[in-house]
Amino acid sequence: EVQLLESGGGLVQPGGSLRLSCAASGFTFNNFAMTWVRQAPGKGLEWVSTIGATSITYYADSVKGRFTISRDNSKNTMYLQMNSLSAEDTAVYFCAKGVYNGWFDPWGQGILVTVSA
Amino acid sequence: EIVLTQSPATLSLSPGERATLSCRASQSVSSYLGWYQQKPGQAPRLLIYDASNRATGIPARFSGSGSGTDFTLTISSLEPEDFALYYCQQRSNWPRTFGQGTKVEIK
Repeated sequence: EVQLLESGGGLVQPGGSLRLSCAASGFTFNNFAMTWVRQAPGKGLEWVSTIGATSITYYADSVKGRFTISRDNSKNTMYLQMNSLSAEDTAVYFCAKGVYNGWFDPWGQGILVTVSA
Repeated sequence: EIVLTQSPATLSLSPGERATLSCRASQSVSSYLGWYQQKPGQAPRLLIYDASNRATGIPARFSGSGSGTDFTLTISSLEPEDFALYYCQQRSNWPRTFGQGTKVEIK
């Protein structure tokens, strides 16, 4: 069974940094693209970043230059380094596995990031 | 960026009724359109990919259709567990984008 477990969230001050982790199990991690999607409180889904199986990366304009996605295939873990955080980054962050050549499934349970003074 | 517009925002229906949800893209996404279901406090799950293919384990009452810019998710007969939020998403272009969601609520 595929399992994805996010960690590293919490409260951070504006301008601060945080690193999220997504620990994966139940599949051959290095064969699949992985993605971060976020959801602000009471809002819809926003794609954040994707890292391909070859480690090619893609970012939403809203996070480009501030967030860095990476993966450690030896640890079956994906990361999201988030710098220069602002209140607009407050959200539940989900990690998801790539499936069917580009879709997101399954998803982790999500981790809350709150940016506030 | 491709903008996806979902309609209606809210759909009020009774169990057993048919639900028809729409997603319109600001430019053609070919057949690269998917649908997700999200229940309160839960992560989304993939229902339909590439416009009309059901993901693993998704009941046959869920079906998708469309191509280009206009897409439809149909739930043939609503079960109690189908009352939820539904999002469309495109994988035609970067950045990936989601629609704003349609809430299917019990009438």
